[in-house]
Amino acid sequence: DAGVTQSPTHLIKTRGQQVTLRCSPISGHKSVSWYQQVLGQGPQFIFQYYEKEERGRGNFPDRFSARQFPNYSSELNVNALLLGDSALYLCASSRGGDTAYFGPGTRLTVL
Amino acid sequence: DAKTTQPPSMDCAEGRAANLPCNHSTISGNEYVYWYRQIHSQGPQYIIHGLKNNETNEMASLIITEDRKSSTLILPHATLRDTAVYYCIVRSDFGNEKLTFGTGTRLTIIP
Repeated sequence: DAGVTQSPTHLIKTRGQQVTLRCSPISGHKSVSWYQQVLGQGPQFIFQYYEKEERGRGNFPDRFSARQFPNYSSELNVNALLLGDSALYLCASSRGGDTAYFGPGTRLTVL
Repeated sequence: DAKTTQPPSMDCAEGRAANLPCNHSTISGNEYVYWYRQIHSQGPQYIIHGLKNNETNEMASLIITEDRKSSTLILPHATLRDTAVYYCIVRSDFGNEKLTFGTGTRLTIIP
């Protein structure tokens, strides 16, 4: 079975722009979570969605938003990009309440 | 979720067993211990998890103390490909999927 997939792999944006990152969960998984990992730190939880509903939100500003589609894929949107948003963005999926499996991540660079 | 404490770094000779400790003295009765690892710039990889009993899979063994306040991840025959940052995480499996990553242990396998 295919693992969690994320697109794009790399992305370069400038300050003030908006970005959309995409995630496809493992087949049969209904829960998707998003994490941000800045260089030298562990991943930080941003959002969790289960059955298209938000189940958890981390300590991130309202510039960060997400949604989950009927096929359980998900998008993470970040508006008004700041230099500090440069990071590896990780998506993880699970059946719901059990082990989460991570994708390879999207490397976002904000110039 | 309970906080975990891990040594920042460890070395292990190739072919030997790598034993990675984790303290989680405030763990609650319904919280599991999860281990993930992250090889440079890749998404975290799930290794193993447990509640009370020791667990073993094809990757590793997890030894949890009787009082559940600490645990040890054992990689039985370390190879160079096991060089990574290892994260010990405590989480409840009842609906809360947020994983709180610390700084982990940077394990270096020495040839």
